[in-house]
Amino acid sequence: DIVMTQTPLSSPVTLGQPASISCRSSQSLVHSDGNTYLSWLQQRPGQPPRLLIYKISNRFSGVPDRFSGSGAGTDFTLKISRVEAEDVGVYYCMQATQFPHTFGGGTKVEIK
Amino acid sequence: QLQLQESGPGLVKPSETLSLTCTVSGGSISSSSYYWGWIRQPPGKGLEWIGSIYYSGSTYYNPSLKSRVTISVDTSKNQFSLKLSSVTAADTAVYYCSGSGIDYWGQGTLVTVSS
Repeated sequence: DIVMTQTPLSSPVTLGQPASISCRSSQSLVHSDGNTYLSWLQQRPGQPPRLLIYKISNRFSGVPDRFSGSGAGTDFTLKISRVEAEDVGVYYCMQATQFPHTFGGGTKVEIK
Repeated sequence: QLQLQESGPGLVKPSETLSLTCTVSGGSISSSSYYWGWIRQPPGKGLEWIGSIYYSGSTYYNPSLKSRVTISVDTSKNQFSLKLSSVTAADTAVYYCSGSGIDYWGQGTLVTVSS
């Protein structure tokens, strides 16, 4: 299985300031079709997860442009340009390049 | 916009079979545009992919659960289902159904395994 490792575990952020989350995979996520199936999800307290970013850097429908994804191969980053109160929650990376699909352990974003 | 809703018993006895159904609206379950899956989350913990089923009928399961899991589709009801056999307390979790990979999610249903 591909192991997904996220850092940090927790990220206290001041409102209006940026936040960054790192995700590293135990092997390359480049699929044989040339795509890299790395996604980012947000889970607000008491809510189901919600897709934010797919294939490294593509924002899903309705996702604010303060969220951005980058990276390649085995190293990926989610950035929030200016954190808002509604961004509080746990963020997960997930790979769908290889079965079984696997998730990172999650990063909790909270307001200082 | 796809909408998904899980349904099924909230309490299952150890060694029995957990059965959940996901009802899809806003799209056809037979469409080649989508594939369907189940993901679970133990209380206070992270996400675990259970498996997926494609419009072709192909299924893919997490090897850690493969011997106990079955995912199937009922096109007449626009539903798909999850069966997990021989459950133990470790299977207690919120179970989510998902559409088109992880694009769309149900609200989740808590299943507790207890006698």
